[in-house]
Amino acid sequence: RKEVEQDPGPFNVPEGATVAFNCTYSNSASQSFFWYRQDCRKEPKLLMSVYSSGNEDGRFTAQLNRASQYISLLIRDSKLSDSATYLCVVRGETSYDKVIFGPGTSLSVIP
Amino acid sequence: EAQVTQNPRYLITVTGKKLTVTCSQNMNHEYMSWYRQDPGLGLRQIYYSMNVEVTDKGDVPEGYKVSRKEKRNFPLILESPSPNQTSLYFCASRFLREGANVLTFGAGSRLTVL
Repeated sequence: RKEVEQDPGPFNVPEGATVAFNCTYSNSASQSFFWYRQDCRKEPKLLMSVYSSGNEDGRFTAQLNRASQYISLLIRDSKLSDSATYLCVVRGETSYDKVIFGPGTSLSVIP
Repeated sequence: EAQVTQNPRYLITVTGKKLTVTCSQNMNHEYMSWYRQDPGLGLRQIYYSMNVEVTDKGDVPEGYKVSRKEKRNFPLILESPSPNQTSLYFCASRFLREGANVLTFGAGSRLTVL
């Protein structure tokens, strides 16, 4: 089993749609979780950290389920500019542990 | 501006010609890392460094070397490049303390080995 797995995608959605991405991780001791966004051929950039109680940033909502080792990202009212690859990122138990990137899920928002 | 700077951004070279990709960060981060990204394979870690003079292998270190003589710099060295090292390379850095360990990436270096 891969350490971090994501929906294979690609997701093609119309503008204004709500889309959800899922991610599972294998290390139950993991402590830090993130969603990164990567535009084509550019560097990954932090979209948001994921907290245990769930958190929201505008149209983006992240949830963490430690018992199921599952992370989600919900994008509401999709914009054309949301088209990108979304990477689920998990770090181990301590800040000295490795950061593991999921393979990413591609999103295309269509006019 | 806080950033990670990589150079060169684009490079075409030939098999066997040694090259160095530089990486510099101005955020006083202890941790620095190199990744390569290939279609269908995602981001794979090549080498990382927890601090000056402390480096360790990642998942795909073969054919690469690194050094960390200063905190801000972490060059990636390809002693004898081969075509299978054609890839998009990213340098990244972060703090090691809790609550501040978000990775910041450089803009990437696209390398082609002929």
